[in-house]
Amino acid sequence: DGGITQSPKYLFRKEGQNVTLSCEQNLNHDAMYWYRQDPGQGLRLIYYSQIVNDFQKGDIAEGYSVSREKKESFPLTVTSAQKNPTAFYLCASSMGGGGTEAFFGQGTRLTVV
Amino acid sequence: AQKVTQAQTEISVVEKEDVTLDCVYETRDTTYYLFWYKQPPSGELVFLIRRNSFDEQNEISGRYSWNFQKSTSSFNFTITASQVVDSAVYFCALYSDRGSTLGRLYFGRGTQLTVWP
Repeated sequence: DGGITQSPKYLFRKEGQNVTLSCEQNLNHDAMYWYRQDPGQGLRLIYYSQIVNDFQKGDIAEGYSVSREKKESFPLTVTSAQKNPTAFYLCASSMGGGGTEAFFGQGTRLTVV
Repeated sequence: AQKVTQAQTEISVVEKEDVTLDCVYETRDTTYYLFWYKQPPSGELVFLIRRNSFDEQNEISGRYSWNFQKSTSSFNFTITASQVVDSAVYFCALYSDRGSTLGRLYFGRGTQLTVWP
């Protein structure tokens, strides 16, 4: 089945550690996105990529990093510089352009312990 | 600037009631797209509908209907005869393909709908 796979579903991080959230898609989509969701805040864009080896910062990129070495993969690293990383993270992909709908993964809930 | 406002944070209804979720958007673009997504407790956002700025026809899909009015910059979503399974967070979103914001989706803060049996 085609879709987007995020892993892990739950992730616990100690303060000062970097952690990487995985996002893989087999929809042959060009565009991929990372969103952060906090209660009452809606979805805020962290990074997005329209094509392999290229990505742009979203509204809250500080403390995060990404790579897009393959079309299928768009991993997100939450670095120790992110002071409040506890949140629900959603990855999405779309064909890109023309207002095509985005498809979302099931999310990763990150908790700092 | 692109902006989506969902003024209703939470709505509670009893099963079989009709409910309307409001969405107001702001954009200077003449070409844009509007979306509604549903987020059930499992967390994954599910696409419901897309509407482009040139198509103001209302749409009905089963118990769901959407009212797009450019004059008021609104794209409201109505569920008729609500059911417990409709309980979820609903997001309205605006897509811009203009310049540096190419490919971005701008989301509202969402409306938590609870349908009681």
